[in-house]
Amino acid sequence: DAGVIQSPRHEVTEMGQEVTLRCKPISGHNSLFWYRQTMMRGLELLIYFNNNVPIDDSGMPEDRFSAKMPNASFSTLKIQPSEPRDSAVYFCASSFGLGPRNEQFFGPGTRLTVL
Amino acid sequence: GENVEQHPSTLSVQEGDSAVIKCTYSDSASNYFPWYKQELGKRPQLIIDIRSNVGEKKDQRIAVTLNKTAKHFSLHITETQPEDSAVYFCAASILYSSASKIIFGSGTRLSIRP
Repeated sequence: DAGVIQSPRHEVTEMGQEVTLRCKPISGHNSLFWYRQTMMRGLELLIYFNNNVPIDDSGMPEDRFSAKMPNASFSTLKIQPSEPRDSAVYFCASSFGLGPRNEQFFGPGTRLTVL
Repeated sequence: GENVEQHPSTLSVQEGDSAVIKCTYSDSASNYFPWYKQELGKRPQLIIDIRSNVGEKKDQRIAVTLNKTAKHFSLHITETQPEDSAVYFCAASILYSSASKIIFGSGTRLSIRP
């Protein structure tokens, strides 16, 4: 398995533009997580899905952020409109939540810079 | 909900010495405690974990201890080496639950001095 796949790996955009981050979880995993990491705030859980259904989106900073998981092999995190303070590394992770070891496998991350 | 506190936020030790990172959790239902290591520019990766029915677990130079009564758990790294330099995250979770999220601590940046 190739592991969790994220695209793009780097994104530079201007304030006000729409940004879409993509994630393909590990096949067979039933939980998917979106995190944001910055120096100031550390690793923040934004939203997570279980069996493609959003379970907890309390970490989504504001209405500019939205996430979807249309099927078990794909998820998107969208920011519209983007702002400079959204600059961060965004990680997607997946796990098999009902297993004996709730290990989350992280993707390589998307480094977002909003100018 | 669960809350995980982690200390210290930064730690510098001489190569060869031991390093200890401590965490506390709030939800007594948590029964699984993983530790993740994140090297500079890389993704977090699981290095060791412990379940609530075990008090201690060791894997070579790394050990974790758990005190369920006090809701404390710790990571111990002995004979530290330069490659141990990284950010370490503790976390708490509930196994076999539909709410499978992991609550991470704020991280400890460990630096190994040569």
